[in-house]
Amino acid sequence: AQSVTQLDSQVPVFEEAPVELRCNYSSSVSVYLFWYVQYPNQGLQLLLKYLSGSTLVKGINGFEAEFNKSQTSFHLRKPSVHISDTAEYFCAVTGYSSASKIIFGSGTRLSIRP
Amino acid sequence: GAVVSQHPSRVICKSGTSVKIECRSLDFQATTMFWYRQFPKQSLMLMATSNEGSKATYEQGVEKDKFLINHASLTLSTLTVTSAHPEDSSFYICSAGQASSSSYEQYFGPGTRLTVT
Repeated sequence: AQSVTQLDSQVPVFEEAPVELRCNYSSSVSVYLFWYVQYPNQGLQLLLKYLSGSTLVKGINGFEAEFNKSQTSFHLRKPSVHISDTAEYFCAVTGYSSASKIIFGSGTRLSIRP
Repeated sequence: GAVVSQHPSRVICKSGTSVKIECRSLDFQATTMFWYRQFPKQSLMLMATSNEGSKATYEQGVEKDKFLINHASLTLSTLTVTSAHPEDSSFYICSAGQASSSSYEQYFGPGTRLTVT
């Protein structure tokens, strides 16, 4: 079984400041890792994913994440945030097949202060 | 890229009635689809795995008789909320995945907001 822990339920930051949203996972098998963003009253949008290869993954909107197998982490970072980044962010994990469930973390609400 | 659609996007129904939500993979075949529900300000909770041509697999604590899932074709899964009550009001999201030896994609529908009055 897999699980995902997002350590911070809310992260307030000032505009143009850097941000890191933390995600740790647990799994007995190799997994794929994802970050999704959800704007108010909308569905999910994929920010980035780690399947294999380089542990530093770059996504949309200037976000990137680093897969750290030894620490079982997949933290999301952005060097300079904008007001438009205000949203809920979900880390997720799944197995290798299309029949594998995606398990979501509890989410981190990123609020940007002007 | 591939698209997953849901219909309806919003539905309001009276307590005691049943509501059917459709999830379609528009340009690919999905032998497996997933149904999630999301309460306000909370994460997505997996309800069940929908398997084409066979019974759905429900997560622990999800009532299979209340949330009926049918996956009659490779492009359509339906979730029927039977005898809906106000506590069933939620945001329901479906997804379908595509995996190969070198890639993986999971496509999410836009969600259906159910309000039971």
